[in-house]
Amino acid sequence: QQQVKQSPQSLIVQKGGISIINCAYENTAFDYFPWYQQFPGKGPALLIAIRPDVSEKKEGRFTISFNKSAKQFSLHIMDSQPGDSATYFCAASLMDSSYKLIFGSGTRLLVRP
Amino acid sequence: EPEVTQTPSHQVTQMGQEVILRCVPISNHLYFYWYRQILGQKVEFLVSFYNNEISEKSEIFDDQFSVERPDGSNFTLKIRSTKLEDSAMYFCASSLYRGGSGNTIYFGEGSWLTVV
Repeated sequence: QQQVKQSPQSLIVQKGGISIINCAYENTAFDYFPWYQQFPGKGPALLIAIRPDVSEKKEGRFTISFNKSAKQFSLHIMDSQPGDSATYFCAASLMDSSYKLIFGSGTRLLVRP
Repeated sequence: EPEVTQTPSHQVTQMGQEVILRCVPISNHLYFYWYRQILGQKVEFLVSFYNNEISEKSEIFDDQFSVERPDGSNFTLKIRSTKLEDSAMYFCASSLYRGGSGNTIYFGEGSWLTVV
Protein backbone atom coordinates (compact mmCIF):
# COMPACT_ATOMS: atom_id res chain seq x y z
CA GLN A 1 0.00 0.00 0.00
CA GLN A 2 2.96 2.28 0.57
CA GLN A 3 4.54 1.49 -2.78
CA VAL A 4 4.81 3.60 -5.87
CA LYS A 5 5.30 1.59 -9.05
CA GLN A 6 7.22 3.23 -11.87
CA SER A 7 7.69 2.29 -15.50
CA PRO A 8 9.52 1.90 -17.75
CA GLN A 9 12.82 1.02 -16.13
CA SER A 10 14.71 2.62 -19.00
CA LEU A 11 13.77 4.77 -21.96
CA ILE A 12 15.58 5.87 -25.08
CA VAL A 13 14.21 8.86 -26.97
CA GLN A 14 15.49 10.80 -29.94
CA LYS A 15 16.25 14.48 -29.49
CA GLY A 16 13.07 16.46 -29.95
CA GLY A 17 10.83 13.55 -29.02
CA ILE A 18 8.46 13.17 -26.10
CA SER A 19 9.55 11.16 -23.06
CA ILE A 20 6.78 9.65 -20.98
CA ILE A 21 7.28 8.02 -17.59
CA ASN A 22 4.42 6.50 -15.65
CA CYS A 23 3.75 5.88 -11.99
CA ALA A 24 0.95 4.17 -10.12
CA TYR A 25 0.03 4.05 -6.46
CA GLU A 26 -2.40 2.20 -4.23
CA ASN A 27 -2.74 4.39 -1.16
CA THR A 28 -5.46 6.97 -1.83
CA ALA A 29 -4.24 8.97 1.16
CA PHE A 30 -1.18 10.09 -0.80
CA ASP A 31 -1.60 13.77 -1.50
CA TYR A 32 1.64 15.08 -2.88
CA PHE A 33 3.40 13.71 -5.95
CA PRO A 34 6.81 15.10 -6.85
CA TRP A 35 9.17 14.09 -9.62
CA TYR A 36 12.89 14.12 -8.95
CA GLN A 37 15.71 14.20 -11.49
CA GLN A 38 19.05 12.61 -10.66
CA PHE A 39 22.24 12.96 -12.65
CA PRO A 40 25.06 10.44 -12.11
CA GLY A 41 26.97 11.16 -8.90
CA LYS A 42 24.44 13.73 -7.74
CA GLY A 43 21.55 13.73 -5.35
CA PRO A 44 17.94 13.81 -6.52
CA ALA A 45 16.67 17.30 -7.34
CA LEU A 46 13.01 18.30 -7.40
CA LEU A 47 11.80 18.77 -10.95
CA ILE A 48 8.07 19.35 -10.67
CA ALA A 49 5.30 18.34 -8.28
CA ILE A 50 1.51 18.08 -8.21
CA ARG A 51 -1.29 17.71 -5.71
CA PRO A 52 -4.35 15.56 -6.44
CA ASP A 53 -6.73 18.49 -6.73
CA VAL A 54 -5.42 19.28 -10.23
CA SER A 55 -5.17 17.01 -13.25
CA GLU A 56 -2.19 18.62 -14.92
CA LYS A 57 0.73 20.85 -14.11
CA LYS A 58 3.14 22.26 -16.63
CA GLU A 59 6.52 23.88 -16.09
CA GLY A 60 8.38 24.63 -19.28
CA ARG A 61 8.93 21.38 -21.17
CA PHE A 62 7.87 19.26 -18.20
CA THR A 63 4.25 18.28 -17.55
CA ILE A 64 2.70 16.07 -14.89
CA SER A 65 -0.60 14.44 -15.78
CA PHE A 66 -2.58 13.15 -12.81
CA ASN A 67 -5.47 10.68 -12.94
CA LYS A 68 -6.95 10.40 -9.47
CA SER A 69 -9.52 7.74 -10.31
CA ALA A 70 -6.91 5.51 -11.90
CA LYS A 71 -4.36 6.30 -9.19
CA GLN A 72 -1.77 7.08 -11.81
CA PHE A 73 0.42 10.01 -12.69
CA SER A 74 2.94 10.55 -15.41
CA LEU A 75 5.77 12.85 -16.42
CA HIS A 76 5.93 14.11 -19.97
CA ILE A 77 9.11 15.73 -21.25
CA MET A 78 8.40 17.60 -24.46
CA ASP A 79 11.15 18.32 -26.99
CA SER A 80 13.52 16.03 -25.10
CA GLN A 81 17.15 17.13 -25.12
CA PRO A 82 20.40 15.21 -24.53
CA GLY A 83 20.80 17.26 -21.34
CA ASP A 84 17.62 15.63 -20.03
CA SER A 85 19.44 12.29 -19.91
CA ALA A 86 19.20 11.32 -16.25
CA THR A 87 17.32 9.04 -13.90
CA TYR A 88 13.82 10.20 -13.01
CA PHE A 89 12.03 9.18 -9.84
CA CYS A 90 8.40 9.68 -9.06
CA ALA A 91 7.48 9.92 -5.41
CA ALA A 92 4.50 10.28 -3.14
CA SER A 93 3.85 11.39 0.38
CA LEU A 94 1.11 11.69 2.98
CA MET A 95 0.82 15.40 3.65
CA ASP A 96 -0.60 15.42 7.14
CA SER A 97 0.82 12.31 8.73
CA SER A 98 4.30 11.68 7.40
CA TYR A 99 7.62 13.36 6.86
CA LYS A 100 8.89 11.02 4.20
CA LEU A 101 8.87 10.67 0.44
CA ILE A 102 8.18 7.23 -0.99
CA PHE A 103 10.08 6.86 -4.22
CA GLY A 104 9.39 4.81 -7.31
CA SER A 105 12.10 2.56 -8.67
CA GLY A 106 13.39 5.11 -11.19
CA THR A 107 13.56 5.44 -14.96
CA ARG A 108 16.86 5.87 -16.71
CA LEU A 109 16.27 8.21 -19.65
CA LEU A 110 18.71 8.50 -22.53
CA VAL A 111 18.04 11.16 -25.13
CA ARG A 112 19.99 10.51 -28.32
CA PRO A 113 21.28 13.51 -30.32
CA GLU B 1 21.81 28.54 -4.55
CA PRO B 2 22.11 27.09 -1.04
CA GLU B 3 22.92 23.42 -0.94
CA VAL B 4 23.19 20.46 1.36
CA THR B 5 26.80 19.34 1.70
CA GLN B 6 27.93 15.88 2.72
CA THR B 7 31.22 14.35 3.79
CA PRO B 8 32.87 12.07 3.00
CA SER B 9 31.92 11.58 -0.61
CA HIS B 10 33.16 8.01 -0.46
CA GLN B 11 34.14 5.80 2.46
CA VAL B 12 35.34 2.22 2.52
CA THR B 13 35.05 0.44 5.84
CA GLN B 14 35.54 -3.02 7.26
CA MET B 15 32.48 -4.99 8.27
CA GLY B 16 31.73 -4.43 11.94
CA GLN B 17 33.31 -0.99 12.07
CA GLU B 18 31.48 2.16 13.07
CA VAL B 19 30.89 4.81 10.45
CA ILE B 20 29.78 8.42 10.81
CA LEU B 21 28.44 10.27 7.81
CA ARG B 22 28.27 14.04 8.10
CA CYS B 23 25.99 16.59 6.59
CA VAL B 24 25.58 20.34 6.67
CA PRO B 25 21.95 21.10 5.82
CA ILE B 26 20.81 24.36 4.29
CA SER B 27 21.29 26.94 7.01
CA ASN B 28 17.73 28.07 7.74
CA HIS B 29 16.15 24.65 7.32
CA LEU B 30 14.45 23.01 10.26
CA TYR B 31 13.78 19.45 9.08
CA PHE B 32 16.52 16.96 8.32
CA TYR B 33 16.51 13.55 6.72
CA TRP B 34 18.63 10.63 5.73
CA TYR B 35 17.79 8.49 2.72
CA ARG B 36 19.77 5.70 1.14
CA GLN B 37 20.05 4.24 -2.33
CA ILE B 38 21.51 0.80 -2.87
CA LEU B 39 23.24 0.64 -6.25
CA GLY B 40 20.69 0.54 -9.05
CA GLN B 41 17.72 0.64 -6.71
CA LYS B 42 15.28 3.26 -5.55
CA VAL B 43 15.85 5.92 -2.95
CA GLU B 44 14.61 4.77 0.47
CA PHE B 45 13.69 6.86 3.48
CA LEU B 46 15.63 6.17 6.67
CA VAL B 47 14.80 8.87 9.19
CA SER B 48 13.57 12.39 9.71
CA PHE B 49 14.70 14.72 12.49
CA TYR B 50 13.07 17.85 13.82
CA ASN B 51 13.46 19.89 16.97
CA ASN B 52 16.34 17.71 18.12
CA GLU B 53 14.47 14.47 17.97
CA ILE B 54 13.53 11.76 15.50
CA SER B 55 10.13 12.53 14.04
CA GLU B 56 9.80 9.45 11.87
CA LYS B 57 11.91 6.42 10.97
CA SER B 58 11.62 3.48 8.64
CA GLU B 59 12.01 -0.22 9.32
CA ILE B 60 15.53 0.01 7.90
CA PHE B 61 16.54 2.41 10.68
CA ASP B 62 17.16 -0.16 13.39
CA ASP B 63 19.28 0.00 16.54
CA GLN B 64 22.46 0.00 14.45
CA PHE B 65 21.63 3.49 13.22
CA SER B 66 21.52 6.76 15.08
CA VAL B 67 21.33 10.42 14.15
CA GLU B 68 22.53 13.50 15.91
CA ARG B 69 22.66 17.22 15.46
CA PRO B 70 25.74 17.92 17.59
CA ASP B 71 25.77 21.66 16.94
CA GLY B 72 23.79 24.25 15.04
CA SER B 73 25.04 23.27 11.63
CA ASN B 74 25.91 19.57 11.39
CA PHE B 75 23.65 16.55 11.12
CA THR B 76 25.22 13.10 11.38
CA LEU B 77 24.25 9.52 10.68
CA LYS B 78 26.10 6.85 12.66
CA ILE B 79 26.10 3.20 11.76
CA ARG B 80 27.36 1.33 14.81
CA SER B 81 28.51 -1.97 13.36
CA THR B 82 28.44 -1.98 9.58
CA LYS B 83 27.24 -4.94 7.56
CA LEU B 84 27.87 -5.75 3.92
CA GLU B 85 24.27 -4.85 3.12
CA ASP B 86 24.81 -1.32 4.43
CA SER B 87 26.81 -0.58 1.28
CA ALA B 88 24.84 2.17 -0.41
CA MET B 89 24.75 5.85 -1.27
CA TYR B 90 23.47 7.77 1.74
CA PHE B 91 21.74 11.06 1.04
CA CYS B 92 21.25 13.77 3.58
CA ALA B 93 18.36 16.13 2.92
CA SER B 94 16.73 19.12 4.50
CA SER B 95 13.63 21.25 4.19
CA LEU B 96 12.45 24.53 5.62
CA TYR B 97 8.99 23.25 6.35
CA ARG B 98 7.84 19.73 7.02
CA GLY B 99 8.69 17.43 4.17
CA GLY B 100 5.86 15.27 2.95
CA SER B 101 3.69 18.36 3.24
CA GLY B 102 4.29 19.49 -0.29
CA ASN B 103 7.38 21.38 0.72
CA THR B 104 10.57 20.87 -1.21
CA ILE B 105 13.13 18.51 0.23
CA TYR B 106 16.66 19.34 -0.90
CA PHE B 107 19.15 16.50 -1.23
CA GLY B 108 22.90 16.51 -0.91
CA GLU B 109 25.17 14.76 -3.39
CA GLY B 110 25.49 11.71 -1.22
CA SER B 111 28.10 9.71 0.67
CA TRP B 112 28.95 6.44 -0.97
CA LEU B 113 29.61 3.79 1.69
CA THR B 114 31.32 0.55 0.76
CA VAL B 115 31.50 -2.14 3.43
CA VAL B 116 34.07 -4.86 2.77
